[in-house]
Amino acid sequence: DAKTTQPPSMDCAEGRAANLPCNHSTISGNEYVYWYRQIHSQGPQYIIHGLKNNETNEMASLIITEDRKSSTLILPHATLRDTAVYYCIVSGEGGQNFVFGPGTRLSVLP
Amino acid sequence: GAVVSQHPSWVICKSGTSVKIECRSLDFQATTMFWYRQFPKQSLMLMATSNEGSKATYEQGVEKDKFLINHASLTLSTLTVTSAHPEDSSFYICSARGSRDKEVFGPGTRLTVT
Repeated sequence: DAKTTQPPSMDCAEGRAANLPCNHSTISGNEYVYWYRQIHSQGPQYIIHGLKNNETNEMASLIITEDRKSSTLILPHATLRDTAVYYCIVSGEGGQNFVFGPGTRLSVLP
Repeated sequence: GAVVSQHPSWVICKSGTSVKIECRSLDFQATTMFWYRQFPKQSLMLMATSNEGSKATYEQGVEKDKFLINHASLTLSTLTVTSAHPEDSSFYICSARGSRDKEVFGPGTRLTVT
């Protein structure tokens, strides 16, 4: 079973920030939080990952709470092309496979 | 950046035939590759873990004699669906673990068995 829970769907207006929450209350000390997204009929695309510090890259920001039991993925200026299913995954280092939950279906509306 | 390719991107085959799907890491070596299956409107489900030079590890409920996996080199893993049936129609996705624990996914292969 997936170690994360996410809302099944969210809407966001084009140009606004999209904030996608994820709960991972059973995360252990050596497990990372990964975010991927899947656009229809394509393979999942890596977005960002982190251990305990907040992270930012050209795609998004990842905010992890101090107790590491939840995180938020922020797309600062959502576009129509950001419409996808977003998966939050918790996984340890090396070798371990990812367990996918149902994810959050983000719809960016014009 | 790290790229994983799959071939073919889609395939239609007749019931009872076998089909092979290739997964390649294009610019990095991967000692471990993973094979997932995704049915319509569902999430990805892990089928097996493919290790270079050794036998694959299959998830519970996945028939290893039906889904043959070969990982002959550090850049190539193959999945062969033997004696395919319509219920094997699905979207098959492979991934490879690259550097810094980032798993890189292929674009997927859509299999339709008629």
